[in-house]
Amino acid sequence: ELKVEQNPLFLSMQEGKNYTIYCNYSTTSDRLYWYRQDPGKSLESLFVLLSNGAVKQEGRLMASLDTKARLSTLHITAAVHDLSATYFCAGLNYGGATNKLIFGTGTLLAVQP
Amino acid sequence: DTGVSQDPRHKITKRGQNVTFRCDPISEHNRLYWYRQTLGQGPEFLTYFQNEAQLEKSRLLSDRFSAERPKGSFSTLEIQRTEQGDSAMYLCASSYTSDTEAFFGQGTRLTVV
Repeated sequence: ELKVEQNPLFLSMQEGKNYTIYCNYSTTSDRLYWYRQDPGKSLESLFVLLSNGAVKQEGRLMASLDTKARLSTLHITAAVHDLSATYFCAGLNYGGATNKLIFGTGTLLAVQP
Repeated sequence: DTGVSQDPRHKITKRGQNVTFRCDPISEHNRLYWYRQTLGQGPEFLTYFQNEAQLEKSRLLSDRFSAERPKGSFSTLEIQRTEQGDSAMYLCASSYTSDTEAFFGQGTRLTVV
């Protein structure tokens, strides 16, 4: 079964700095999802990456996918306090009755002024 | 359509009591998923419905858990004889196909005291 690992688990950043969250996965998964979760809230979809080399950008966030390395990255540019949240990556696990999302443990991002 | 809706948002119950949660998916989505999320972890798959048929259950779903989707629209998740270890956020998600993006509801936070 697919396993998904994220690092770091916790990231404290200063406003204006850049950083990258890494997501490694164990078996073939040709699509990768990034979600944001605010405390006590549900999951907000950020990006769906569908193919090798896919890159998507929204505001200060940019996600990429390398299926050969089984690696996705979420890059944060010039962080602002509003980006403070937990970020999850998830791969699509093929098998069983359906494809299902398998999530990493999340990266808690705290952006300090 | 306003997205996936879950009710209640919060539930506090005494150990040993039964609880039931409801999920209303996006109307044209025939696939429905239940996930459980404990503090500091990513969501874990519990069970999956395609229309009214429950096609897959995780080994996390003990005999005390039962889920239904009687008319292929809304779904219920019941936990009998609740235990403190059942305390978690229960998330519902729906999708149009197994390959399309899953949208999550706001979740039901269960606290067993």
